[in-house]
Order: sequence, then structure tokens, then C-alpha cells
Amino acid sequence: DGGITQSPKYLFRKEGQNVTLSCEQNLNHDAMYWYRQDPGQGLRLIYYSQIVNDFQKGDIAEGYSVSREKKESFPLTVTSAQKNPTAFYLCASSMGGLGPQHFGDGTRLSIL
Amino acid sequence: DAKTTQPPSMDCAEGRAANLPCNHSTISGNEYVYWYRQIHSQGPQYIIHGLKNNETNEMASLIITEDRKSSTLILPHATLRDTAVYYCIVRVGGGTSYGKLTFGQGTILTVHP
Repeated sequence: DGGITQSPKYLFRKEGQNVTLSCEQNLNHDAMYWYRQDPGQGLRLIYYSQIVNDFQKGDIAEGYSVSREKKESFPLTVTSAQKNPTAFYLCASSMGGLGPQHFGDGTRLSIL
Repeated sequence: DAKTTQPPSMDCAEGRAANLPCNHSTISGNEYVYWYRQIHSQGPQYIIHGLKNNETNEMASLIITEDRKSSTLILPHATLRDTAVYYCIVRVGGGTSYGKLTFGQGTILTVHP
């Protein structure tokens, strides 16, 4: 079935450590997105990518980095510079900017 | 992007229609209305979207008023699995807001037996 796969479902990070969250889609969508959701809050955009080898900062990009080397993959690295990384991270994709966004099931990141 | 207003919570009996309202009085002519829902600890699920005509798909119907200042999402036969937070979002694509979805507080729909 077509969809978006995020892994792992749960991730634990030690202080000062970088971690990478995986996002893969087989929907042949051009655009991909990373959002962060905190308890009881809405989604905030971290980064987005319209095409391969191109990406743009969202509203809260500080402390995060991304790459888009393949159309189907958009990994997110949470660096040690992100001071409050504990959150629910959601990846999405769409066919163009107006197309409906389809989401993965998320990765829940916690700090040890 | 236009701001939306939704009731914080609604109840619905299983098997009945659930009608979820959304006000978006400052909507612009090029802004679409999108509906998503989120079940606890899962990613949001796209339901439906429209510009000015009413829309229907296998999940729901979207009714947009003629002046486009409000809309209603209709789940024709609600089931217990439809219990979720429902988000009404109004936005355009392109430019600095490319693709960004701004989620408000949404409506918590509880379907009971």
C-alpha cells in the first residue's frame, strides 16, 4: 500500500547527542514536510522540501537539519543545539503545495 | 492564512450524522478549506478539502456557505472509530507559506454508543 513510513516509533536521546529520524514515502509526491507537535498543541513546521536537493526552513528550524537526496526520503536530524527536543515529530508529503498532505504515524522523541 | 473558529467539543451518537462547524469569516478568494483529524498518538489524517463548491468523498461531505465565511464537515454515519480531534484549516500554497498547515485547537468529537 502507498503511504509514509516513519521510524523509529519511539526514540531516546542522551544529552549532547544528535539523532536522525527517518521518513520514507512511496506516493511519488514531490513535496515533503517535517512538523513538531508538543502536548496539547498544534503542529509547527520545521522544514519542507519542494523537490529533490532543495529544502526550506519552516517556523522552528533552529537546532534541526534535513537532507533530500532522493524523492522518497526526507530524514530529519535533531542536533545537540536543539535545547528542548522532547516532542512528537510528524513527517508529511503532498503532490505540490496545494495538494492534501498525508502524514506518517510519527516518532516520539524523549531525552534520557 | 485566515483564522478559523471551531467549537472545542461535540458529542454524537453512533450511527447518526456528525456535523462539525467551522467559521472562517476572513477567508480570501484564493484560500481553500481543508479538514483533517487526529486520533490520539497518531499522525493527522486528511479528510477533504474545497474552495467554494460542496465536496463529497468516501469519508465525508464538506458544505461551504455561499459567502465562504463558514463551512460544515459532515460524517454521515458516525462510528466509534470517528472519535478524534477534527481540524478545520484555511490556507493557500506558494511563497513563504508553501504547504504549511496551521492547526488550531480543533473540535474534540466523541462518538458514543
